[in-house]
Amino acid sequence: KQEVTQIPAALSVPEGENLVLNCSFTDSAIYNLQWFRQDPGKGLTSLLLIQSSQREQTSGRLNASLDKSSGRSTLYIAASQPGDSATYLCALSGGYNKLIFGAGTRLAVHP
Amino acid sequence: NAGVTQTPKFQVLKTGQSMTLQCAQDMNHNSMYWYRQDPGMGLRLIYYSASEGTTDKGEVPNGYNVSRLNKREFSLRLESAAPSQTSVYFCASSTGRGSYNEQFFGPGTRLTVL
Repeated sequence: KQEVTQIPAALSVPEGENLVLNCSFTDSAIYNLQWFRQDPGKGLTSLLLIQSSQREQTSGRLNASLDKSSGRSTLYIAASQPGDSATYLCALSGGYNKLIFGAGTRLAVHP
Repeated sequence: NAGVTQTPKFQVLKTGQSMTLQCAQDMNHNSMYWYRQDPGMGLRLIYYSASEGTTDKGEVPNGYNVSRLNKREFSLRLESAAPSQTSVYFCASSTGRGSYNEQFFGPGTRLTVL
């Protein structure tokens, strides 16, 4: 059974730092991996999707990588800002695009 | 273009009451999903509909039923609510085709069962 783990569970950093959020999974047979952002009391916003044949995707200050052989994905946030404060979730897609989620990393960026 | 909409936003039920959560998408997506999110946990799949006319169980289907009313709408029903069903419920949709199959989420329904 696929299991998804996100480390750390919480992170507090000063503004301007470069960050790495980690996501590990136990079964490398995946279709794609999505990173989401969730603000308190809100729904999920898709940040990046990496197909199983890809190794990374970039959007602005965000870069996500995928290494299926080691069962790992990382989300890199450059030059963090207070507006980046949120919970970041990674999710793997198996058959029929059923997503399996990690528990998330709660990020706080303070001025 | 509203994306994925959910009603209601909040609901309080007593144990044993029933209710239906509504979800609609305007992106012409084939696949739709219902997830629940409990504190400190990621989302877990309750039911999904790969295409209009089909529904299948996810990881935590017990106590729920679904209806894919048409291509746009996918409802989730709690027949006899229990306190363990207190959660935030999210609906999502995707094209359902290929490996570039991004899911889009609604704003959620916050349900409390007393």
